[in-house]
Parts: sequence; structure tokens; C-alpha cells
Amino acid sequence: EPEVTQTPSHQVTQMGQEVILRCVPISNHLYFYWYRQILGQKVEFLVSFYNNEISEKSEIFDDQFSVERPDGSNFTLKIRSTKLEDSAMYFCASIRRDRALDTQYFGPGTRLTVL
Amino acid sequence: GQQVMQIPQYQHVQEGEDFTTYCNSSTTLSNIQWYKQRPGGHPVFLIQLVKSGEVKKQKRLTFQFGEAKKNSSLHITATQTTDVGTYFCAGRRGGSNYKLTFGKGTLLTVNP
Repeated sequence: EPEVTQTPSHQVTQMGQEVILRCVPISNHLYFYWYRQILGQKVEFLVSFYNNEISEKSEIFDDQFSVERPDGSNFTLKIRSTKLEDSAMYFCASIRRDRALDTQYFGPGTRLTVL
Repeated sequence: GQQVMQIPQYQHVQEGEDFTTYCNSSTTLSNIQWYKQRPGGHPVFLIQLVKSGEVKKQKRLTFQFGEAKKNSSLHITATQTTDVGTYFCAGRRGGSNYKLTFGKGTLLTVNP
């Protein structure tokens, strides 16, 4: 069964550094998402991406965040200058959008630790 | 903005006991999805409910969607140790780019 993949599985960085989290969505999917989950808390929506542009973003997704689909395969989340509070699991998800069938498939996540 | 409340936050049961988690949205939903997350894992899709009053079953799991499409529940009959994990509901409003708003989840632990 096709899967969403994410790399790296764990990223450790110093505060103020830039990080890029990578995702490869399922190949025939059209909508892409980033969510984050701070340890022990709920999954929070960050951004959705469709047709090569952001379709919706949350208040968490400020100017320090950006997303890109550079090559039609990868879907990346960049944090320009990481803060301690950015430490979390970041999940990528994708959806095919086939009429009412909109199951979101989540990747295994990247654990980001900001020191 | 849309909020999805989920209770209880934690539930500890003896193996064989039943378990229920409840989800309530501040707005009417287009559909609701349920996910299970094992400790250290990622959310895994369980089921989607779309119709008002819908009830779906997966073996020992029963999912319900309220008539007003604002609340939902997940009931597990005769829990097993393999049911351990956090159960999240996630609601989607119509026309919202399929963004999911998650509840805080219910952590289920099962004593063998």
C-alpha cells in the first residue's frame, strides 16, 4: 500500500538555525498538509497546499515557516529561524480528493528538537 | 475558529471492559474522522463518518455521528491490550480545503 514518507525521522538543531523537513506524499494525491504535535498534546494544523500554492494556513504558520513542492514529488516545510517552542513532531499528510473520499494519510513524522 | 472538544482526556480500563470517547464540535461538520496513535507513532486513520446519524462498526469498534453532525463517539467493546493508544477525532467543515481540526485525544490504557 502506498505510504507518505518523511525525512529525517529526527532532527536536532540549534535555536536560530534553519531546518527543512521533507515529505514525499502518495503519488496520485493532490492536497498536501503539514501538522505538528507538541509532545503530549493534540495534532495541530499548520498549512494546506494545493495546485502549487498555500490554500490555508493557521496562526501558527507565521513568516518563519514556508512550504514548497520543488519537483512535483517532494513537499518541504522550512523553518527559517527555529525557536525552542518549535520542538515537536511534524507530520506531513496527503489526500487524493476523490469525491467524498478524503482520508488523510499521515507520514511517520519528523521529530524536531531545538536546543 | 472551529474547536473540537474531546473527552475524557485519559481512560484506564481493565482488559475486557468497554471504553467510550466523545467528541464535540463547535460548528457543524462535513465529516468526522477518527485516528489512533500508538505511543511514539503517527496518527493512523480508522474511519470516516459523513452522514447525519451514521453508525459504523469495525469489529469491536463502533463509531457514531450525531444527527446534528456536531458530535461523535467511539466505543470499544471488551478492550484488549492491543487497543492501547490515543484516539483522536478530527472534524472537517465543508469548503475548508480538507483541513482537519483535531480533538485533544483520549489516551486509553488497558490493564491486562
